[in-house]
Amino acid sequence: DIQMTQSPSSLSASVGDRVTITCQASQDISNYLNWYQQKPGKAPKLLIYDASNLETGVPSRFSGSGSGTDFTFTISSLQPEDIATYYCQQYDNLPHTFGQGTKLEIK
Amino acid sequence: QVQLQESGPGLVKPSQTLSLTCTVSGGSISSGSYYWSWIRQPAGKGLEWIGRIYTSGSTNYNPSLKSRVTISVDTSKNQFSLKLSSVTAADTAVYYCARDEITPPRRDAFDIWGQGTMVTVSS
Repeated sequence: DIQMTQSPSSLSASVGDRVTITCQASQDISNYLNWYQQKPGKAPKLLIYDASNLETGVPSRFSGSGSGTDFTFTISSLQPEDIATYYCQQYDNLPHTFGQGTKLEIK
Repeated sequence: QVQLQESGPGLVKPSQTLSLTCTVSGGSISSGSYYWSWIRQPAGKGLEWIGRIYTSGSTNYNPSLKSRVTISVDTSKNQFSLKLSSVTAADTAVYYCARDEITPPRRDAFDIWGQGTMVTVSS
């Protein structure tokens, strides 16, 4: 299985801050990576697909980049409603695998 | 607007079989453009993909669960189902059904999810 390692595991930031989360794959996955947001008690929500494409309806403050083994997810200006856990997911090989998650909190 | 809804027992005894159903509304499970997946999440932990099915009945399973998992589809009811046998406490989790697209863009992105259903394995 392809292992996905996210960092940090948790992050505290202030409203308006630029926030960056990284995801590293255990092997080259090209751009076959998605990002999800999960709020407490809710199902995950797709934010970014194919590493850098913004899902319809998702605010433009969210962005993604990277290819190969190293990927970045960025919130350009943190908003209170962005408090959630964020997951990366690779789909280069089955089984689909997810990162362990990054819990984002407001400072 | 396609929606997914999980249903099934919230409590299963150890060694028994967990059975869940996902009902698709607002669209056809037979559209041919999607896989239909099961994903689970133990409390406070990350996401684990269990497996998926295509409308034809073709399946893919996570090797870590393959010996215990069966996913099936009932196109007449617009539903797909999960069976997980010989359950233990380690199978206690929120179980989600989700849709993922077969072709680009958004290939293998889970774009629609059910709300999730909590299943506890306990005697």
